Parts: sequence; structure tokens; C-alpha cells
Amino acid sequence: GESVGLHLPTLSVQEGDNSIINCAYSNSASDYFIWYKQESGKGPQFIIDIRSNMDKRQGQRVTVLLNKTVKHLSLQIAATQPGDSAVYFCAERAGGYQKVTFGIGTKLQVIP
Amino acid sequence: NAGVMQNPRHLVRRRGQEARLRCSPMKGHSHVYWYRQLPEEGLKFMVYLQKENIIDESGMPKERFSAEFPKEGPSILRIQQVVRGDSAAYFCASSRPDNEQFFGPGTRLTVL
Repeated sequence: GESVGLHLPTLSVQEGDNSIINCAYSNSASDYFIWYKQESGKGPQFIIDIRSNMDKRQGQRVTVLLNKTVKHLSLQIAATQPGDSAVYFCAERAGGYQKVTFGIGTKLQVIP
Repeated sequence: NAGVMQNPRHLVRRRGQEARLRCSPMKGHSHVYWYRQLPEEGLKFMVYLQKENIIDESGMPKERFSAEFPKEGPSILRIQQVVRGDSAAYFCASSRPDNEQFFGPGTRLTVL
């Protein structure tokens, strides 16, 4: 859905702990999902993606889980570091069409 | 290999003036996208272009906004007769066909 100007939800974690950021999507036709990281004053940076024929994908310190039944996506960050502090957006795309729809975003604050 | 370039990074305009935002895609990328982001909000899709063609402009306001991606040169997002509500960060992204989008650093438009 569209953001209506609400403040971003915030997740605070201790340095070294694991972080889990959740995202719900609404379009059942979406078949490609991406997580982006946006640091203050910068553009979104690609982290990891997953196609709908998978339910899990791992990268370096990050794992994305996809549950199509409940239309839920999560990003897990292992051993969270201060440099992980940023806003994280999930995004979805449907049917190979290039237009990407972004979720509201979650602000991750890492406590040293 | 240079990333997506946007200029200017900061643009200040008075109400009623025109704003021109430029985006040079990554080398080899033929698809360009423009997004708008208000503070504490997600990115809102505006327009998707390929060389000399507008593919999807469903996110563009009906008046005052236009975009182009000519055969030669950068993509331009043009806002005529700017109003205070146009103040936002405008991000450009580029991609190859059916591939992830890479974002530029954004242009922060302030309308006085």
C-alpha cells in the first residue's frame, strides 16, 4: 500500500545481535523481491533479492526469507554492526515488469 | 565502472521557477526510473523510461511534471512552476532488462 506520511518504524538492536526486519506485501502477483539499504543522505543500495520460486536465500551476513502463503518477507542480519544502521526497504516486482514498488521502510539503529 | 550519476545533488528554487534534474545511467543500462522520496517515507515510483520511450508514467503528477530519456545524453526530470510541495529527494535508478535497479545519490530539491 501507499505510505501516508507515517514515521518509519524503528528497530533497535545491540551490536553483535542478530536483526530481523519484516515486510508484508499485498500483490499476490509479485514474483521478485528485493531488499535495499538506505543510509542517511544517500540513495538505496541493493542488498539481496529473491524470486518467488525460492523461500530462502543467503548472502554475506544476510538472509532473506519469503513466505508466499502469508505474503511476508524478512531480512535477517547476522552479528549486526554499527555500519548496518540505516533504513531498510523491501520492494516487489510483478510479472517481469520492471516497475518496482517499495514498502514503507524500517529504521535499524545499532546500539554499540 | 561509474555508478548512476545525478546532478545537481542539491537544487534550490523559488515558487514558480522550473527545476531540471539530470540522471546518467550506468554504462550498458538502457532502462531509467525516477522516484520521489519525502522525509521519513518510502520511495514513490514516478516514471519508467527506455531510450526515447516512456514505458510507464503512472506515478507522475498529471501537470507540471515531465520526463525524457533521449537517444543521446542523460535522462531529464523536469518540474515546471514548482510549489513548496515539490520539495523532496528525487532518485534515479537504472538497470539492464529484467535486472536489479541501481540507484543514484539523489537530487534534493528545496522550494522556497
